[in-house]
Amino acid sequence: GAGVSQSPRYKVAKRGQDVALRCDPISGHVSLFWYQQALGQGPEFLTYFQNEAQLDKSGLPSDRFFAERPEGSVSTLKIQRTQQEDSAVYLCASSLATRNEKLFFGSGTQLSVL
Amino acid sequence: AQSVTQLDSHVSVSEGTPVLLRCNYSSSYSPSLFWYVQHPNKGLQLLLKYTSAATLVKGINGFEAEFKKSETSFHLTKPSAHMSDAAEYFCVVRRPMNRDDKIIFGKGTRLHILP
Repeated sequence: GAGVSQSPRYKVAKRGQDVALRCDPISGHVSLFWYQQALGQGPEFLTYFQNEAQLDKSGLPSDRFFAERPEGSVSTLKIQRTQQEDSAVYLCASSLATRNEKLFFGSGTQLSVL
Repeated sequence: AQSVTQLDSHVSVSEGTPVLLRCNYSSSYSPSLFWYVQHPNKGLQLLLKYTSAATLVKGINGFEAEFKKSETSFHLTKPSAHMSDAAEYFCVVRRPMNRDDKIIFGKGTRLHILP
């Protein structure tokens, strides 16, 4: 595709509900990142994939967060039993390769947990 | 370990005057450094990147940044601010290894342009 696509754009969930956030990276991009951006803060690293391999998940805040990229393209970030503190914008980014390649960001999914 | 510190959470300048947004980094390796801009309700956009080819890096919209290893700094500058520059700016450090590719964002600097 022309850019990184994320869906849904907005998600409202009741506390305790499970949510799934989707990221379609640019075709052929090897690296894929998920970030969490709370209101007024910088993006915080969650997890990183190189193709289908999840090489780093050290930023996931709890075991309620799970990410996958089974075929090395589309990725899904799942949050189970959502809590109010999960409310944030979730950003997905991809790059052609590792090292110095620029990141292309999606517009994000704004999650509000009530 | 690597980290990045943006020294100012808010910067206000008058239109037409110079802009300076400060960033210091720490990295165990020779880092790749980036500046991104985020306008309200828009995605993150790359302004410029440093990848060891040249210490003075020119980016889009008239922005520049100079990599100073001795000071571990990568400050962003622009000679003359424009109203459209009002946005949030993020300094970013990237570990230049194939595995454990982690990209760390600073907390951001909100740039305000006064008329």
